[in-house]
Amino acid sequence: AQSVTQLGSHVSVSEGALVLLRCNYSSSVPPYLFWYVQYPNQGLQLLLKYTSAATLVKGINGFEAEFKKSETSFHLTKPSAHMSDAAEYFCAVSLNSGYALNFGKGTSLLVTP
Amino acid sequence: EAGVTQFPSHSVIEKGQTVTLRCDPISGHDNLYWYRRVMGKEIKFLLHFVKESKQDESGMPNNRFLAERTGGTYSTLKVQPAELEDSGVYFCASSQGTLQETQYFGPGTRLLVL
Repeated sequence: AQSVTQLGSHVSVSEGALVLLRCNYSSSVPPYLFWYVQYPNQGLQLLLKYTSAATLVKGINGFEAEFKKSETSFHLTKPSAHMSDAAEYFCAVSLNSGYALNFGKGTSLLVTP
Repeated sequence: EAGVTQFPSHSVIEKGQTVTLRCDPISGHDNLYWYRRVMGKEIKFLLHFVKESKQDESGMPNNRFLAERTGGTYSTLKVQPAELEDSGVYFCASSQGTLQETQYFGPGTRLLVL
């Protein structure tokens, strides 16, 4: 079985501060991992994905995530938060990226001035 | 290129009524997925089409839900009869192939069953 845990349903950071959104997964085989973002009144947009190539994955809008097998983690980071980063972020796992995605519960990011 | 579109954007119905949701995938995408997010819960997979065939429907909650994809283009998801617990946001996604391909999501249909 595969599952995803996102620590913190709400995270608040100041503009310009580091963004760290945590994601841990459980999987009996090497997974494919994804981070999606949902802006208000929009669909989910892919930020980045890990598909067993480089462990440090760079995505759009300055986000990146590092796959750490020993820690079963795939945390999302951004060095400097922008007001436009306020959204809900979802971590997801799949044994094969074309098949069903299993999502975490999501983390709402609030960016304060 | 147009993205995944879903219709309607919102639907409010009474318990016992029928609702049909539609999804138009990105042109040329053979794979189409339905997901649902009930309030306060995570997004859950419902089913996966490859062209017109159901590849995986393990997430369908019960037989009140019927998904079709005639001709392998757009898909419909019908709920009949709707129950209160069916309320939530229904997302559709599509992808070209199954291996390492990104799933592109639509904006979702917000369903409220009263």
